[in-house]
Amino acid sequence: GENVEQHPSTLSVQEGDSAVIKCTYSDSASNYFPWYKQELGKRPQLIIDIRSNVGEKKDQRIAVTLNKTAKHFSLHITETQPEDSAVYFCAARYNQGGKLIFGQGTELSVKP
Amino acid sequence: DADVTQTPRNRITKTGKRIMLECSQTKGHDRMYWYRQDPGLGLQLIYYSFDVKDINKGEISDGYSVSRQAQAKFSLSLESAIPNQTALYFCATSDWDMNTEAFFGQGTRLTVV
Repeated sequence: GENVEQHPSTLSVQEGDSAVIKCTYSDSASNYFPWYKQELGKRPQLIIDIRSNVGEKKDQRIAVTLNKTAKHFSLHITETQPEDSAVYFCAARYNQGGKLIFGQGTELSVKP
Repeated sequence: DADVTQTPRNRITKTGKRIMLECSQTKGHDRMYWYRQDPGLGLQLIYYSFDVKDINKGEISDGYSVSRQAQAKFSLSLESAIPNQTALYFCATSDWDMNTEAFFGQGTRLTVV
């Protein structure tokens, strides 16, 4: 079925370290993979996205990689800062119907 | 600024009551979605709509119904609320192009007692 698995569910790092969150998806026809950040009490907001014709995309300290053969994609945050603490969601747009399916979320905690 | 607005923001209701959550948007988007957020379960898709004549069930539609009254309005109803429907509900919109960002409303925190 249509599914997005996200790991880990919680992640704690020291300020300045890197953080990596991984997701797998089930529909080989998926071609759009966004990442959302949700701060406490706020709505999810897009931080970066990648489309299937690109293997990697970077925006300052944030990067996303995509492996279509293995059907997985990852979020990399370098030089983490306390304000990076939030819940992060990956998602995949399923080609049939175009619905956006989310992973279970990763709670990232960056300790000063 | 164009936005996605949900009403109410918070609601406490009793078991068995009917309740409607409303979503309106000024982004001019065709696609609208309702998600439910529970701790550890992420954002689960309840219903989605691509235009006023197109309504589709998501992953967890049982116990819910929707109405797309206009391009800009998409309502979620709980016909007979039960305690395990206590959750944070989000409406989202996106453009017709499937490979574009979805924008979320502020969320509605629903408690069923």
